[in-house]
Amino acid sequence: GQQLNQSPQSMFIQEGEDVSMNCTSSSIFNTWLWYKQDPGEGPVLLIALYKAGELTSNGRLTAQFGITRKDSFLNISASIPSDVGIYFCAGQNSGSSNTGKLIFGQGTTLQVKP
Amino acid sequence: DAGITQSPRHKVTETGTPVTLRCHQTENHRYMYWYRQDPGHGLRLIHYSYGVKDTDKGEVSDGYSVSRSKTEDFLLTLESATSSQTSVYFCATATLGVTEQYFGPGTRLTVT
Repeated sequence: GQQLNQSPQSMFIQEGEDVSMNCTSSSIFNTWLWYKQDPGEGPVLLIALYKAGELTSNGRLTAQFGITRKDSFLNISASIPSDVGIYFCAGQNSGSSNTGKLIFGQGTTLQVKP
Repeated sequence: DAGITQSPRHKVTETGTPVTLRCHQTENHRYMYWYRQDPGHGLRLIHYSYGVKDTDKGEVSDGYSVSRSKTEDFLLTLESATSSQTSVYFCATATLGVTEQYFGPGTRLTVT
């Protein structure tokens, strides 16, 4: 089935550093979503992107919908300990617009050293 | 947060026993989804529902069935649990015309 490649798989950074992660697909998506999952909890939506080239911020988080519509990027500036968790990208193609189905990346595990 | 609860939150069961997980939502969302989460695989769709009594298979549906008799409840059943179904199960919902899915807290299922 269709897959998203998310990288890196894991990151271990120092508090205060900026973080970048990305997600790529072999096919075009109409929507990109970024979620964060804290340990023992369900994923929480961070940012939703609906238009190629779109750049959207949510506090220290910034995400971009790639111009080719086959990729998306998430940046976290000035990381803090509570940024720890797993970050998932998710995409939806035009064929799934009437079912709402999403395809998820494998996740990027972020650890922040105080 | 779409007012989603899942029950039970934790369950240990033996191979071959039937198991039913429940997802309950209070937001009147039309779409509901069941995912499983395993290390290295992210979230994989098991089954989904696009309305009461309207369900369809996802990418990993073998060994699972679902039912939705009312808008607020979506049940996932493992007819005869196997060790390969040990996982964390998440329910999610979405409203009509909106892509964003909202997730419940998850159920950790262990099949021994």
